[in-house]
Amino acid sequence: NAGVTQTPKFRILKIGQSMTLQCTQDMNHNYMYWYRQDPGMGLKLIYYSVGAGITDKGEVPNGYNVSRSTTEDFPLRLELAAPSQTSVYFCASTGGVRAYGYTFGSGTRLTVV
Amino acid sequence: AQSVTQLDSQVPVFEEAPVELRCNYSSSVSVYLFWYVQYPNQGLQLLLKYLSGSTLVKGINGFEAEFNKSQTSFHLRKPSVHISDTAEYFCAVTLSGNTGKLIFGQGTTLQVKP
Repeated sequence: NAGVTQTPKFRILKIGQSMTLQCTQDMNHNYMYWYRQDPGMGLKLIYYSVGAGITDKGEVPNGYNVSRSTTEDFPLRLELAAPSQTSVYFCASTGGVRAYGYTFGSGTRLTVV
Repeated sequence: AQSVTQLDSQVPVFEEAPVELRCNYSSSVSVYLFWYVQYPNQGLQLLLKYLSGSTLVKGINGFEAEFNKSQTSFHLRKPSVHISDTAEYFCAVTLSGNTGKLIFGQGTTLQVKP
């Protein structure tokens, strides 16, 4: 099925550990985004990319890093996990937000203990 | 800077009743507006969008929204809700430009009761 695939779906991390959240899309979209969703806060943009090799910070980038070596993949790296990073993470992509809106992945639920 | 405010965090309503979910935005330039729906344990799906033209836009599942520039609002409505409409709804805005970043409201949980 075409779309945005996120792995893993669930993960528990200990404080100070690191991990990479994977995001892959097979729609040849140039634009990709990482959001975090916290209860009552909506979605906050962490990082985004407008094409392979180009990334930029969003509203809440601290504690995260990204790379975009291919059009398909946009992994999000957490270094030195902290309890404040407990959240649900969504990856999204679009070929043009005004024409198509975003296609979202199903999310990764991360708990840092 | 632009922002989006959803005025109700929760909206309880009985099945087959009408519903309105309120959304206000702030921006000094032209915006493009969206409504997304999130069913439990799923990602977000696009309900409808306003880009230009007619201020009343129709979306999937019988939802519609009206863009009101003077009141900077983009309220979502449905004349008769079903149990299956129980979900969280997000209003979002983006500006013209080439980054496509969406700014989301806080979300409104629609609870449809039998």
